[in-house]
Amino acid sequence: DADVTQTPRNRITKTGKRIMLECSQTKGHDRMYWYRQDPGLGLRLIYYSFDVKDINKGEISDGYSVSRQAQAKFSLSLESAIPNQTALYFCATGSAGNYGYTFGSGTRLTVV
Amino acid sequence: DQQVKQNSPSLSVQEGRISILNCDYTNSMFDYFLWYKKYPAEGPTFLISISSIKDKNEDGRFTVFLNKSAKHLSLHIVPSQPGDSAVYFCAADITGTASKLTFGTGTRLQVTL
Repeated sequence: DADVTQTPRNRITKTGKRIMLECSQTKGHDRMYWYRQDPGLGLRLIYYSFDVKDINKGEISDGYSVSRQAQAKFSLSLESAIPNQTALYFCATGSAGNYGYTFGSGTRLTVV
Repeated sequence: DQQVKQNSPSLSVQEGRISILNCDYTNSMFDYFLWYKKYPAEGPTFLISISSIKDKNEDGRFTVFLNKSAKHLSLHIVPSQPGDSAVYFCAADITGTASKLTFGTGTRLQVTL
């Protein structure tokens, strides 16, 4: 099993629908992150969490919400999806003092 | 405002030659830098890093150089191999604070035969 698992791998949804992307990890890391990748824009941070009770907004959090259900689980929700949220979404984990993150394989989301 | 920039979207290099990928940053508070490699349909994987107290870090065929005064880092791959064909992201962080990496826009490297 992968260290960081994202589900679903691919999803097509309609404008206005609510959708949840899920992430779970077996690394035992305390820190979890959600990034989105867009062509020409690289990876941009949406939300991050340093433990179950600590949730922080990243640079592009508008239109998104997150839930840290357990140390190993961090989900990202789009309450009302819009087409410009079409992107590749990555979950990552890390630990204090270790600056290398472990990424999941990504979720390709298309909003039509 | 892009704090970490990779001005070359793509680079093509012949097998066996040197690949040089560049990255510039604007935030002088950044003091730790990383390179990630990404293959299609996979997540980015950590490649190499460097602290601002150093100007060079080497790991096998990969070397990262840091020029703090120019706010510039580069990744050298010698010799380049076809399996190195991927998208490379540089990333920066501020140590001593809550870690949240800021990534560049990526450079697609193609190593040709």
